[in-house]
Amino acid sequence: DAKTTQPPSMDCAEGRAANLPCNHSTISGNEYVYWYRQIHSQGPQYIIHGLKNNETNEMASLIITEDRKSSTLILPHATLRDTAVYYCIVSQRSNYQLIWGAGTKLIIKP
Amino acid sequence: GAGVSQSPSNKVTEKGKDVELRCDPISGHTALYWYRQSLGQGLEFLIYFQGNSAPDKSGLPSDRFSAERTGGSVSTLTIQRTQQEDSAVYLCASYGGGRGNSPLHFGNGTRLTVT
Repeated sequence: DAKTTQPPSMDCAEGRAANLPCNHSTISGNEYVYWYRQIHSQGPQYIIHGLKNNETNEMASLIITEDRKSSTLILPHATLRDTAVYYCIVSQRSNYQLIWGAGTKLIIKP
Repeated sequence: GAGVSQSPSNKVTEKGKDVELRCDPISGHTALYWYRQSLGQGLEFLIYFQGNSAPDKSGLPSDRFSAERTGGSVSTLTIQRTQQEDSAVYLCASYGGGRGNSPLHFGNGTRLTVT
């Protein structure tokens, strides 16, 4: 399975859009891009996933580049409760035997 | 509905003792994963159960680690003769529903401290 690269940390002002990048340059054609987040002392929480097309749900939007080598998770109106570690992983159809990276620690500032 | 439940939430044990960690997945979920997370790190895959198939144990770090899943539901992760390097948060996750790209649902983990 492909590996991902994320910045270790990011800050964002409350109420602004948070844009979290992820590089997955070795992604294969049948691998999905998944985003999860982990708030302190809790298990990871699913946010969104996609294969080729951009996706949107009640939590976030996922923008995947045409070559699929990178993606961006967008939290449109960040709140303090969005402070968490955000993980980008790529996986073949729910095959989760990956070693997850350290993710991006997103800090939302008032 | 009820999510993935893990118990205990915290466990402190002495080096050399055995521990058992329990996971109750979401009802009806056929797939169950165990992961380990060290402080400030990402998740490390340990073992995977899918229905009645033989489990994928490729992530277990040593033969001191074992897991079972009884009746396709509750799972127990056992660590024998614990070592200090076993200290970590042990997370359980399940998924199901028939779609091949279903997301994982995680419990809040068991924080294991070996003294």
